[in-house]
Amino acid sequence: AQTVTQSQPEMSVQEAETVTLSCTYDTSENNYYLFWYKQPPSRQMILVIRQEAYKQQNATENRFSVNFQKAAKSFSLKISDSQLGDTAMYFCAFMKRGYGNKLVFGAGTILRVKS
Amino acid sequence: DTGVSQDPRHKITKRGQNVTFRCDPISEHNRLYWYRQTLGQGPEFLTYFQNEAQLEKSRLLSDRFSAERPKGSFSTLEIQRTEQGDSAMYLCASSPWTENTEAFFGQGTRLTVV
Repeated sequence: AQTVTQSQPEMSVQEAETVTLSCTYDTSENNYYLFWYKQPPSRQMILVIRQEAYKQQNATENRFSVNFQKAAKSFSLKISDSQLGDTAMYFCAFMKRGYGNKLVFGAGTILRVKS
Repeated sequence: DTGVSQDPRHKITKRGQNVTFRCDPISEHNRLYWYRQTLGQGPEFLTYFQNEAQLEKSRLLSDRFSAERPKGSFSTLEIQRTEQGDSAMYLCASSPWTENTEAFFGQGTRLTVV
């Protein structure tokens, strides 16, 4: 079974600064996907960024980038130029390749962006 | 299409009552998923459908829980004889039938059992 661990229950960052959210996972699979989802207060979860495990290049989406270390089973999210709208719960998630799209989530990190 | 829709958004029920939630996925999405999210935790997988076929059920889905997706469109999740431990947010998500696509989530139904 796969497990996803987010060791930071809460984080704070000043507007315009950079913050990194940590995620580690455990799996014996070699082919899989990793995701970061954002859940703003009282709103639905949306995808922030995804990474295919077979790709060595780290994914980037505008201000969001990941540091994927496959050997270490680490998948951190870096948010640059933090904005007030980034305030949300962030979930790291794992999905086995070729096994439906069932996601295994971590417990989440609450990110608060302060003005 | 306005995305995945869930109804109701909030439900308060007395212990022992039955409740039913509805999920309308994004049209043409073949796959539909139910997750449960308790306070301070990430969502946990309950079950998923490909069209009308229920392909997988988690051990979390006790025999008091039943899910259906008639005709491969909307889905319902029923909880019989609710218990206080069933209090949670129930999330629905849908995705197309391709491997590397994101799941689109609804806003969830928050269940409180009193």
